[in-house]
Amino acid sequence: QKEVEQNSGPLSVPEGAIASLNCTYSDRVSQSFFWYRQYSGKSPELIMSIYSNGDKEDGRFTAQLNKASQYVSLLIRDSQPSDSATYLCAVKGGGNKLTFGTGTQLKVEL
Amino acid sequence: KAGVTQTPRYLIKTRGQQVTLSCSPISGHRSVSWYQQTPGQGLQFLFEYFSETQRNKGNFPGRFSGRQFSNSRSEMNVSTLELGDSALYLCASSLDKSNTIYFGEGSWLTVV
Repeated sequence: QKEVEQNSGPLSVPEGAIASLNCTYSDRVSQSFFWYRQYSGKSPELIMSIYSNGDKEDGRFTAQLNKASQYVSLLIRDSQPSDSATYLCAVKGGGNKLTFGTGTQLKVEL
Repeated sequence: KAGVTQTPRYLIKTRGQQVTLSCSPISGHRSVSWYQQTPGQGLQFLFEYFSETQRNKGNFPGRFSGRQFSNSRSEMNVSTLELGDSALYLCASSLDKSNTIYFGEGSWLTVV
């Protein structure tokens, strides 16, 4: 079992719709959870961080964390073509090492 | 505030050669980590340095090494390059363990 799992996609959504990206992790001691966005040929860019169970909202983005289910998700409201990218879920345990999922490719169609 | 700066951005090396990549973290950040990204393996952790000491290490062979200087700048070295070392090498910095990690733009290494 991989430590951090994501569907590779592609996930296609129409412009203006809600995109829902999901991630599960195996290490119960994980403490911090991050979503990075990566455009083709570019480096990962931090979108959201979440540390406590529940929802965290930042503009069009909402991160959701459920530690009991070892599940973290990212919702993107009013999806735009510029949101088309690969979204990487990352988990950090007690140290300062990030463990990444393989990423979900999101395509927002006009 | 300047971000994480990596040099060189692009380089081509021949099998058997060695390469050194450089990273300047965000001002004030003392933790510097290195990651390798390939299409097949995704993003994988190489190692982390804090206050000039390696604090954590991933599952890479000894050909991959790094160091950190007193000003928090870091270098990583790959010796005896193999074709499979072709990848995007990313440097990331943070204040310390409890803080967010920010990535540089990366160094694209091609081994021919």
